[in-house]
Amino acid sequence: DVKVTQSSRYLVKRTGEKVFLECVQDMDHENMFWYRQDPGLGLRLIYFSYDVKMKEKGDIPEGYSVSREKKERFSLILESASTNQTSMYLCASRAGGYNEQFFGPGTRLTVL
Amino acid sequence: SQQGEEDPQALSIQEGENATMNCSYKTSINNLQWYRQNSGRGLVHLILIRSNEREKHSGRLRVTLDTSKKSSSLLITASRAADTASYFCALNSGGSNYKLTFGKGTLLTVNP
Repeated sequence: DVKVTQSSRYLVKRTGEKVFLECVQDMDHENMFWYRQDPGLGLRLIYFSYDVKMKEKGDIPEGYSVSREKKERFSLILESASTNQTSMYLCASRAGGYNEQFFGPGTRLTVL
Repeated sequence: SQQGEEDPQALSIQEGENATMNCSYKTSINNLQWYRQNSGRGLVHLILIRSNEREKHSGRLRVTLDTSKKSSSLLITASRAADTASYFCALNSGGSNYKLTFGKGTLLTVNP
């Protein structure tokens, strides 16, 4: 079975801090994704990576950056956390093409 | 980008009853996927149905797709309390094969 893990289940940070969220998948998937999920807004795509060192902006990339130095690891970086970035962050991976995505358990980030 | 719209937003039934959730969309798709999310957790892929398919089954789940009406339905038969979760449809559409656009979900509550 595909396993996608995220570095933290819960995280509390202060406004202005730099925040790293890490995601690791163990199935050699080409594609990896970062979403945020907010009540009433559903899941929104922040960034997508289709290969090592390759990335594309999703629907809401502002305030975020990503890094994919190794195939199995995809990091989401909040350069200067703000309270409106308080959210549930979900990482996913996919083998490629039109296949299903496999999600991690999520990180609930609170920015105070 | 288009988003699927689930209907109803919330559904409450008794154990043993069937649950039907619907998803409507506006433009053409490559495939449509259904996911489940238990409270506060990551999403789990349930079924993928391609645009040239009309019906798929997986255990107690049955998904239909009507591309002429641009709609899909997810039927859960003989529901159990453990089926309590949010259910999302996700669209893979257009020329961007990586992008999966999620609806806002249907919250299903199965009462014991």
